[in-house]
Amino acid sequence: DIQMTQSPPSLSASVGDRVTITCRASQVISNLLAWFQQKPGKAPKPLIYAASSLQTGVPSRFSGSRSGTDFTLTISSLQPEDFATYYCQQYYSYPRTFGQGTKVEVK
Amino acid sequence: QVQLQESGPGLVKPSQTLSLTCSVSGGSISSDTNYWSWIRQPAGKGLEWIGRIYTSGNTKYNPSLMSRVTILVDTSKNQFSLEVSSVTAADTAVYYCMSEDLQRGMSWGQGTLVTVSS
Repeated sequence: DIQMTQSPPSLSASVGDRVTITCRASQVISNLLAWFQQKPGKAPKPLIYAASSLQTGVPSRFSGSRSGTDFTLTISSLQPEDFATYYCQQYYSYPRTFGQGTKVEVK
Repeated sequence: QVQLQESGPGLVKPSQTLSLTCSVSGGSISSDTNYWSWIRQPAGKGLEWIGRIYTSGNTKYNPSLMSRVTILVDTSKNQFSLEVSSVTAADTAVYYCMSEDLQRGMSWGQGTLVTVSS
């Protein structure tokens, strides 16, 4: 199985901050990586697919990038509604695997 | 983006079979660009991929669950389903269905809580 190592497990930030979350794949996955946002009691919301393509309706403050097997989700200016847990997922091979999640909390 | 909706019993007895259905709207389950997946999340924990099916009926399962899982597609109803046999308390989770489209990204259902208890 491909291991997805997400960091940090949690972070504290303020509204307006630039936030960066990283996901490292244990082997090459091309650009087949997605990012999701999950709030308590809710389903994960897709943000990014193919490493850097924004899902329809997602604000442009969210962006994704890839460098080899390292992937980054960036929130350029954190908004109050962005406090949540974020997950990455590879869909290059089976079984699909997720990162452990990064909880973005209020500083 | 397609919309997905899970349905099924919220309570299953130990050793019995968990059965869920995912109804797809806003698109066809016969699409050749979509894979249809099931994912689960125990309370307070991360996401676990269970398996997926393609319109042809081709399936891929997580090896950790493969011996107990069956995913089927019903193109006439635009639905796909999940069965997990011989359930235990460890199968208690929120179950989600998801669409994976290489061209348009992902869509998720709202999820349904399944509790395994006598």
